Amino acid sequence: EAGVAQSPRYKIIEKRQSVAFWCNPISGHATLYWYQQILGQGPKLLIQFQNNGVVDDSQLPKDRFSAERLKGVDSTLKIQPAKLEDSAVYLCASSSNTGAGNTIYFGEGSWLTVV
Amino acid sequence: AQSVTQPDIHITVSEGASLELRCNYSYGATPYLFWYVQSPGQGLQLLLKYFSGDTLVQGIKGFEAEFKRSQSSFNLRKPSVHWSDAAEYFCAVESGGSYIPTFGRGTSLIVHP
Repeated sequence: EAGVAQSPRYKIIEKRQSVAFWCNPISGHATLYWYQQILGQGPKLLIQFQNNGVVDDSQLPKDRFSAERLKGVDSTLKIQPAKLEDSAVYLCASSSNTGAGNTIYFGEGSWLTVV
Repeated sequence: AQSVTQPDIHITVSEGASLELRCNYSYGATPYLFWYVQSPGQGLQLLLKYFSGDTLVQGIKGFEAEFKRSQSSFNLRKPSVHWSDAAEYFCAVESGGSYIPTFGRGTSLIVHP
């Protein structure tokens, strides 16, 4: 079974530029998550989708971050304009449902450096 | 609100030695508890999880963790560490209703030959 796929793996951009990350979850997984992991910290949830609807985006900086999950499968996370503090690993994850104690499967992450 | 504390930023052990990584949580009721491992350049992989029942939980790669309600702890253990265990370890807690885990800051495990 294929895991969570993310691209690009690495991206370097200048501040105020834009960037987009793509995620393909495990086949059949209805729930998709985007996490931000800053160096030296644990992952922080940015947004959670259930199919193509947003369940939780309370920690998404909506003035510069946006995410969509068209057709309830692939998802794209966009940052525009980027700031230096956005340098982090962006982890996409998926799970088969949203029940308590649900196992979440993570992708390898997209590493963003803003200079 | 739920929270997780991993008091050790780095832990260094010799290969073959035993390991214990500490995790303390803050939540009123019995939470769901997880340990994840992240190897360099990789995503997070679930090692084990606790919901209820037996407080000693067995996971993959020879890891186990023990839930102690009186200490609000969920420490991860392994009797004999291998060099391949060098990685970042994250404890996470999920409270009833949110169904979204909150992660600790992680503990970096260094294994000496």
